[in-house]
Amino acid sequence: GENVEQHPSTLSVQEGDSAVIKCTYSDSASNYFPWYKQELGKGPQLIIDIRSNVGEKKDQRIAVTLNKTAKHFSLHITETQPEDSAVYFCAASYENYGGSQGNLIFGKGTKLSVKP
Amino acid sequence: DSGVTQTPKHLITATGQRVTLRCSPRSGDLSVYWYQQSLDQGLQFLIQYYNGEERAKGNILERFSAQQFPDLHSELNLSSLELGDSALYFCASSVSGGYTGELFFGEGSRLTVL
Repeated sequence: GENVEQHPSTLSVQEGDSAVIKCTYSDSASNYFPWYKQELGKGPQLIIDIRSNVGEKKDQRIAVTLNKTAKHFSLHITETQPEDSAVYFCAASYENYGGSQGNLIFGKGTKLSVKP
Repeated sequence: DSGVTQTPKHLITATGQRVTLRCSPRSGDLSVYWYQQSLDQGLQFLIQYYNGEERAKGNILERFSAQQFPDLHSELNLSSLELGDSALYFCASSVSGGYTGELFFGEGSRLTVL
């Protein structure tokens, strides 16, 4: 089955700096790669996702890149702010609009701390 | 607010006991997923239901079971509890079971087994 490795497990940056979190996946059939943000005491929330037909996607200060050949994808947060402090999870799955699917397999998370 | 409601928020019980966690999905969502979150294992997929039927199974122990009712709410039953079952249990829902799409997570039920 799919296995997702995520690094680093903790990341501390100064406000205004960039943060990068990297994930690798094992199943070459995976084609859907979301990123979830979990704030303290809350459930994970989707912040951005990418499908394997594109290499990069951007939404304001966050971007995700995908390298299918190397089977890795990354989350980039620019101009970090204290409210970006949270645990970030990458995930991978197989999507098939015809009906079959693989379930979302999560990495173990990265605790991001943004210091003012 | 994701629209997914989980009860209870906190639960403390003893080893050997049985508990039931409840989840109400977002209005209109047909799929319900259960995940277990522990400090060292991250988010572990347990089981998925779609419109009342089991769709997929992950690392769910035989002591655990779940079901989805006609009104689409779901319950996760944990029995013969062990200390290692202490964790945060999340329910998530999505519109369809045909593809993954976005999962909407509840705020979780924290289970402590003493």
